[in-house]
Amino acid sequence: EVQLVQSGAEVKKPGESLKISCKGSGYTFSTYWISWVRQMPGKGLEWMGIIYPGDSDTKYSPSFEGQVTMSVDKSISTAYLQWSSLKASDTAMYYCARHGRDGITGHVVYMDVWGKGTTVTVSS
Amino acid sequence: DIQMTQSPSSLSASIGDRVTITCRASQDISNKLAWYQQRPGKVPNLLMYAASTLQSGVPSRFSGSGSGTDFTLTISSLQPEDVATYYCQKYNNNPWTFGQGTEVEIK
Repeated sequence: EVQLVQSGAEVKKPGESLKISCKGSGYTFSTYWISWVRQMPGKGLEWMGIIYPGDSDTKYSPSFEGQVTMSVDKSISTAYLQWSSLKASDTAMYYCARHGRDGITGHVVYMDVWGKGTTVTVSS
Repeated sequence: DIQMTQSPSSLSASIGDRVTITCRASQDISNKLAWYQQRPGKVPNLLMYAASTLQSGVPSRFSGSGSGTDFTLTISSLQPEDVATYYCQKYNNNPWTFGQGTEVEIK
């Protein structure tokens, strides 16, 4: 079974650092792009960025560039999302999701597998 | 960047009603559009891709249409389990922008 297993809920203080994880299984992790998606309380889905585990090629949404860092360790099939200094406004649910590939062109397409999400709460 | 605009933001309909949600792209995205369903408190789930191709396991009462800039998601006969927020997403290129969502409730 293809799945993405995310790390558990986090409660942090403003200014603290954090790294959350997303471990893939049931497929060749290094050959499928992974996106991170933010959902603030009561709000919609926001695409944050995408990373290719094969070579760590990363593209950030302009809204999140410089605010977070995406990385992978393909040896353990795990993608990461990290903050160096959290703010209260980072309080949200964070999902990782795998992108499929177009069978003909090989282009990155929609998100076909989602992790269950990691809740991040930042509060003093 | 291409903007994705959904309408309405919310709707209330009766069981068995036909429900239509619209998604508009600010530029041509061909048919590179996906729809996701997010039930309350749950993980988003892929409903449809390539604007009109149903993901495996999704009930046939869901259908999609459109190309270019204008797209629709239709539920032919609304069921209680369809209470959810529905999001469109473009995937023709970076960024993979979502629409703001349409919340569907039962009247």
